[in-house]
Amino acid sequence: QSVLTQSPSTSGTPGQRITISCSGSTSNIGSTYVYWYQQFPGTAPRLLIYTDNERPSGVPDRFSGSKSGTSASLAISGLRSEDEADYFCAAWDDSLSRWVFGGGTKLTVL
Amino acid sequence: QVQLQESGSGLLKPSQTLSLTCAVSGGSVTSGGSSWVWLRQVPGMGLEWIGNVYHPAHTYYNPSLKSRATISIDKSKNQFSLNLNSLTAADTAVYYCARGSNWNMVKRGWFDPWGQGTLVTVSS
Repeated sequence: QSVLTQSPSTSGTPGQRITISCSGSTSNIGSTYVYWYQQFPGTAPRLLIYTDNERPSGVPDRFSGSKSGTSASLAISGLRSEDEADYFCAAWDDSLSRWVFGGGTKLTVL
Repeated sequence: QVQLQESGSGLLKPSQTLSLTCAVSGGSVTSGGSSWVWLRQVPGMGLEWIGNVYHPAHTYYNPSLKSRATISIDKSKNQFSLNLNSLTAADTAVYYCARGSNWNMVKRGWFDPWGQGTLVTVSS
């Protein structure tokens, strides 16, 4: 059971805007930054969003992050078939004194 | 740019010790501001942070694994290692090494880049 809660799956059609949510608590998302990672099957995760809403160089501006209270969201606009992957959220948990992750959301592009 | 590559034992028996190494290229394990991290992922499930090391030997561990895990740096080989003892089937996972963006990765920081991962299976 993951400390951060994500829906197991979501889907969208090309060109659509979708959001993936990540729910936590006051000891993690509510008091620290959120990070998002993208993972294609059989490959290592890749940093997608850092410190809530910043994009590393090379990540398209179609990807954006936001946070409110104890929840965070990853939005993908102009959905493309190559966005089909698993997406994980991560945050530091002050109570557990460790990094915690969401269980991941599998995005299917129909 | 920095690239990471894991290597080590893939099939182990319960109670044995896991030993993995992460070779770093395109950068140095002694570079300031970065830490060197181990994480794992049970196939089909979420990620788990194991711990990280900052040159020369400052370490931070997941409290749930601290008693069994040891992470160290070998600057002569530009690599870092993970030892995890008293293995059980629950330790079966894909193990990743990564670079941490901060020296201690406590409260803030990100993991980037990652190695390709290596599957470790614990079975009698």
